[in-house]
Amino acid sequence: TQLLEQSPQFLSIQEGENLTVYCNSSSVFSSLQWYRQEPGEGPVLLVTVVTGGEVKKLKRLTFQFGDARKDSSLHITAAQPGDTGLYLCAGRYGNKLVFGAGTILRVKS
Amino acid sequence: KAGVTQTPRYLIKTRGQQVTLSCSPISGHRSVSWYQQTPGQGLQFLFEYFSETQRNKGNFPGRFSGRQFSNSRSEMNVSTLELGDSALYLCASRLGQGSSYEQYFGPGTRLTVT
Repeated sequence: TQLLEQSPQFLSIQEGENLTVYCNSSSVFSSLQWYRQEPGEGPVLLVTVVTGGEVKKLKRLTFQFGDARKDSSLHITAAQPGDTGLYLCAGRYGNKLVFGAGTILRVKS
Repeated sequence: KAGVTQTPRYLIKTRGQQVTLSCSPISGHRSVSWYQQTPGQGLQFLFEYFSETQRNKGNFPGRFSGRQFSNSRSEMNVSTLELGDSALYLCASRLGQGSSYEQYFGPGTRLTVT
């Protein structure tokens, strides 16, 4: 059982559509991060959220940390083919960073 | 500032052999972590080194080992390779201070065991 559950596992959408990816847990995290990984490369850090209820925006990407710090969401507005990749959430759990299984996003033009 | 570098990028080994992978962290970063990534298991934590000491270890057999040098560069070694060790091995570095645990990943070493 994953400590962090991501949904959906796979998402295929058309360019211009909006989407939301979820990262849920029954555990409380002191911080949570989102990464994007492209094939053959390492994950790239997108954002870190620390405070419950925190919302951060990165261009067309909006990240939210749940009030109880157990869940997070990533919303992409007007998706573009360049958004294609594997999106991973990761949370600090004790003195380790644990990762969700990831959401594979494919944006078709 | 240069990012995390890993060498080699690709490696093909035969079952039973051993392999050493290298990682150079971002300048000033003192913590280096290693992960194994496979399609079935996702990102699995191997171990973390800070100031030349192993601070955390994941649930991997003793065939997987690592070390860190005084310049923060790190190596990981896998002995007696098995087919199931085929994976992308990722190294990540962080400052080692602060509570956010933000990590910066290298491009990975793609290991294929035949």
